[in-house]
Amino acid sequence: QSLLTQPPSASGTPGQRVTISCSGGSSDIGGNTVNWYQQLPGMAPRLLIYNTDQRPSGVPDRFSGSKSGTSASLAISGLQSEDEADYYCSARHDTVNGPVFGGGTKLTVL
Amino acid sequence: EVQLVQSGAEVKKPGESLKIFCRASGYTFGIYWIGWVRQKPGKGLEWMGLIYPGDSDTRYSPSLQGQVSISVDKSISTAYLQWTSLRASDTAKYFCARRDCTPTGCSSAFDIWGQGTMVTVSS
Repeated sequence: QSLLTQPPSASGTPGQRVTISCSGGSSDIGGNTVNWYQQLPGMAPRLLIYNTDQRPSGVPDRFSGSKSGTSASLAISGLQSEDEADYYCSARHDTVNGPVFGGGTKLTVL
Repeated sequence: EVQLVQSGAEVKKPGESLKIFCRASGYTFGIYWIGWVRQKPGKGLEWMGLIYPGDSDTRYSPSLQGQVSISVDKSISTAYLQWTSLRASDTAKYFCARRDCTPTGCSSAFDIWGQGTMVTVSS
């Protein structure tokens, strides 16, 4: 059972803007920064967003992150076919003393 | 190039022991935390633990404490994940990952990931 809640699936058409939500509590998202990962089939996760809204070098600015209270969101604009992947949110949990992950959202590009 | 290279896939029987590795290159191994993340077949990511190679300070997920052990050999820039008695429920892909850090501090993110080691436990 994941401590962070994500919708299991999301979809969009090429060029569209999609958002993926991530809901937590005061011990994780509410008091800590949020990270987002992209995982292509059979591959290792790739860091997309760290510290809630920062992009590592090499990540297109089509990807953006935000947070409000105990919820966070990943937005993908100008959707492309290569964006089809699983997306995971993560945040440090004060009790666990380490990161917890959401259950993942499978993004389909129609 | 900064990279983490993991050991190959393993097939084991219940009750057997196992030690898998994660070899780092391209950066100063001793000053970045290394984490281990589990992914069961068709499921999501689960943090297992962290180790700081500089002094072997180790943190475990409360749900996994006692089931695995994490260690490092700083001399060969390698981290390890070890089981003394595997169970079928340990079947998963295991990733090592480097914790994102800058001179001013660390985030909770993992910025570099190994390719993963698939461990299958079956009688």
